[in-house]
Amino acid sequence: DTEVTQTPKHLVMGMTNKKSLKCEQHMGHRAMYWYKQKAKKPPELMFVYSYEKLSINESVPSRFSPECPNSSLLNLHLHALQPEDSALYLCASSRAPGELSTGELFFGEGSRLTVL
Amino acid sequence: GENVEQHPSTLSVQEGDSAVIKCTYSDSASNYFPWYKQELGKGPQLIIDIRSNVGEKKDQRIAVTLNKTAKHFSLHITETQPEDSAVYFCARPGFQKLVFGTGTRLLVSP
Repeated sequence: DTEVTQTPKHLVMGMTNKKSLKCEQHMGHRAMYWYKQKAKKPPELMFVYSYEKLSINESVPSRFSPECPNSSLLNLHLHALQPEDSALYLCASSRAPGELSTGELFFGEGSRLTVL
Repeated sequence: GENVEQHPSTLSVQEGDSAVIKCTYSDSASNYFPWYKQELGKGPQLIIDIRSNVGEKKDQRIAVTLNKTAKHFSLHITETQPEDSAVYFCARPGFQKLVFGTGTRLLVSP
């Protein structure tokens, strides 16, 4: 199993809503990532979890709250978002953070978020 | 040291032609250079990578070349096919993350 599974594929929410994006991998990877991708732009890193602990927060606004319940799951909790937060949110995993210099980052298909 | 410049931003070719995408980096310590392909509606997927101890690597119709002196690496696709149409990103490892180039939208016309 070399898949990273993200749900939901599409999400529409109002600025007062609370929602969550979910990500799951069963490759035994110990590093998991959230990236944000706007149209016609490269993915931009938001958060890195290393061995279930948050190791990098790229100055992301607090209306985005990540959670790593266990080594296979990664959530992104959304609250009071703005229309400019509309984007494709990509989850990814790798064997370990330090191995990005020699290894592969596996991406899910993304959750397309629209904030009204 | 994190920037990765990628050119061109768009590339249109006829089926069967070759396509070349180039990336330039600034960090001399970089030693691993991957290329990712992102098809419409999907996440990026690694298609080929190269390490700094080799100058070229091939995998069927795709190849990557590395020029460490000039600090650039290139993706070469030969005999292009319509299914090669996608956005291609070069990348370089940063601290616990990948930094992506700006992307190249490749369109292969039948």
